[in-house]
Amino acid sequence: DTAVSQTPKYLVTQMGNDKSIKCEQNLGHDTMYWYKQDSKKFLKIMFSYNNKELIINETVPNRFSPKSPDKAHLNLHINSLELGDSAVYFCASRHTENTEAFFGQGTRLTVV
Amino acid sequence: AQSVSQHNHHVILSEAASLELGCNYSYGGTVNLFWYVQYPGQHLQLLLKYFSGDPLVKGIKGFEAEFIKSKFSFNLRKPSVQWSDTAEYFCAVTGGSYIPTFGRGTSLIVHP
Repeated sequence: DTAVSQTPKYLVTQMGNDKSIKCEQNLGHDTMYWYKQDSKKFLKIMFSYNNKELIINETVPNRFSPKSPDKAHLNLHINSLELGDSAVYFCASRHTENTEAFFGQGTRLTVV
Repeated sequence: AQSVSQHNHHVILSEAASLELGCNYSYGGTVNLFWYVQYPGQHLQLLLKYFSGDPLVKGIKGFEAEFIKSKFSFNLRKPSVQWSDTAEYFCAVTGGSYIPTFGRGTSLIVHP
């Protein structure tokens, strides 16, 4: 079973659309993250969320919003998509402070 | 705030050559350190991690890294690379915020 799973794996959409990427982890972790990987492979943290607090990278446009229906899920909603949003988005999760993060397979978003 | 610097952006080696990838971090407190590998088209996988104890850490696939606190460094090494080591390598650190911060990555190409 995949520990951290994201859907869809590929997403092609037009500018201005609203889309969501789902993430689920079956590891019992209490913290989840969303990262954006740009064309130069740079990984930038977007959100960090556990059952206590949401930490938002202040550089992330408010068109992006995380939604966590429960501890095992952290979905990413994106409104009014722009060309510059094209990237690979990775979900990750982590159990406690002193463990590593486990990553999903990534979602390649292409905005046309 | 914590930050990570990877000095080598692109490394090209022949099989059996030795590898050392540099990683320096910036954070004044206790840190956890990681090296991840991303094979082409895949997600990030953990190579090794350091939390405490022996500063020489051994990971999977013959990789090792040494934590040198006085130099704020955590360099990755492998005595003899293989063609299958071709990938992107990321150094990461967690400090006070417990959000993994990544370096910009090093692209390694190994020629057979």
